[in-house]
Amino acid sequence: AQSVTQLDSHVSVSEGTPVLLRCNYSSSYSPSLFWYVQHPNKGLQLLLKYTSAATLVKGINGFEAEFKKSETSFHLTKPSAHMSDAAEYFCVVSEGGYGGSQGNLIFGKGTKLSVKP
Amino acid sequence: NAGVTQTPKFRVLKTGQSMTLLCAQDMNHEYMYWYRQDPGMGLRLIHYSVGEGTTAKGEVPDGYNVSRLKKQNFLLGLESAAPSQTSVYFCASTTPFEGLDEKLFFGSGTQLSVL
Repeated sequence: AQSVTQLDSHVSVSEGTPVLLRCNYSSSYSPSLFWYVQHPNKGLQLLLKYTSAATLVKGINGFEAEFKKSETSFHLTKPSAHMSDAAEYFCVVSEGGYGGSQGNLIFGKGTKLSVKP
Repeated sequence: NAGVTQTPKFRVLKTGQSMTLLCAQDMNHEYMYWYRQDPGMGLRLIHYSVGEGTTAKGEVPDGYNVSRLKKQNFLLGLESAAPSQTSVYFCASTTPFEGLDEKLFFGSGTQLSVL
């Protein structure tokens, strides 16, 4: 069975410093992995996705994530945090090419990112 | 292009009352989903639909019913609301016809309180 664990419920960084949001997954097959962002009182927006192509995935707003099969990790990073990055971030795993169609997208519990001036 | 629209945005119910949440998408997407979001729990799938006239149960379907009579609409019903159904509800949609793009498009949410 697939699962996803976000290792930190809350991360706080200063503006201009690096961001690291950690995600570990468990999957029986080759998974698809995603990061979504949710700004306050908004719906979720896709940041980036991994679907067995390049292991380093670049997303929007300067975020990127690296798929490490040996560590079963898909951590999200950004070199320099901006105030507008303050939001909640969700790591998501699915199995199969159309995992969404089978309703088996599994969301992590979220990591709230705070950015201090 | 409005994307995914949820109505209402806020609602307060008394225990035992019923209501229907409406999700409408104008992207001609085949797949639609209802999730609930609770603090510290992430998003949990309630029901989903892979096409007009079809629905399926997700992770937490009890106490909810859904219908997909038209491709663009996905309705979530609470027949007898309970305080445990106090949550923020999100609708999402996607299509399988963009390669392996499983990008979900989300509505802005419905905040429901059951007293």
